[in-house]
Amino acid sequence: SQQGEEDPQALSIQEGENATMNCSYKTSINNLQWYRQNSGRGLVHLILIRSNEREKHSGRLRVTLDTSKKSSSLLITASRAADTASYFCATDDPGNQFYFGTGTSLTVIP
Amino acid sequence: EAQVTQNPRYLITVTGKKLTVTCSQNMNHEYMSWYRQDPGLGLRQIYYSMNVEVTDKGDVPEGYKVSRKEKRNFPLILESPSPNQTSLYFCASSLSGSRLFSPLHFGNGTRLTVT
Repeated sequence: SQQGEEDPQALSIQEGENATMNCSYKTSINNLQWYRQNSGRGLVHLILIRSNEREKHSGRLRVTLDTSKKSSSLLITASRAADTASYFCATDDPGNQFYFGTGTSLTVIP
Repeated sequence: EAQVTQNPRYLITVTGKKLTVTCSQNMNHEYMSWYRQDPGLGLRQIYYSMNVEVTDKGDVPEGYKVSRKEKRNFPLILESPSPNQTSLYFCASSLSGSRLFSPLHFGNGTRLTVT
């Protein structure tokens, strides 16, 4: 399985601090996406980075991709209590399957 | 409003009693998929469909069936549910059926308990 792994599994920070979570995967990809999940709800797409891109920004989100190391990171700057959620990376493979990591649970303390 | 609709949200059933979880999207998406989410295991793909009448197995297809007779609907069928299929299930869709995937849109989930 190409399932990715997020690191850390859980992260707790104070409001206003930055949160960084990492994702590693196993084989070549077309793109990598990050999703957010509030407790028990459906996942919501945050950002997509293509395999030929190295960095992408969207509001307070910054994503990097290192295909040589098969890893990506998601940085959330100036975190807010409302950012409390689980964050997942997802990759596709040439067989058209989508693989999600096991997620990072982020808690932002007001 | 663009959305993926799953029904039911909660379902409690007994071993062996056939059930269907419906999924419908109103975005004219080509790609649809089913996932199950279990603690510590993340999301695992059950089946996916690149377009109408085209379905393929994901990582964990055993015990499940799907069909894609129309573009908007992608029901998940458990012919003989077992307790190990107790899980949180998500349906998702995406515009693109090609390799360069566009983002997935998720339903709100179906929490299934099999006793």
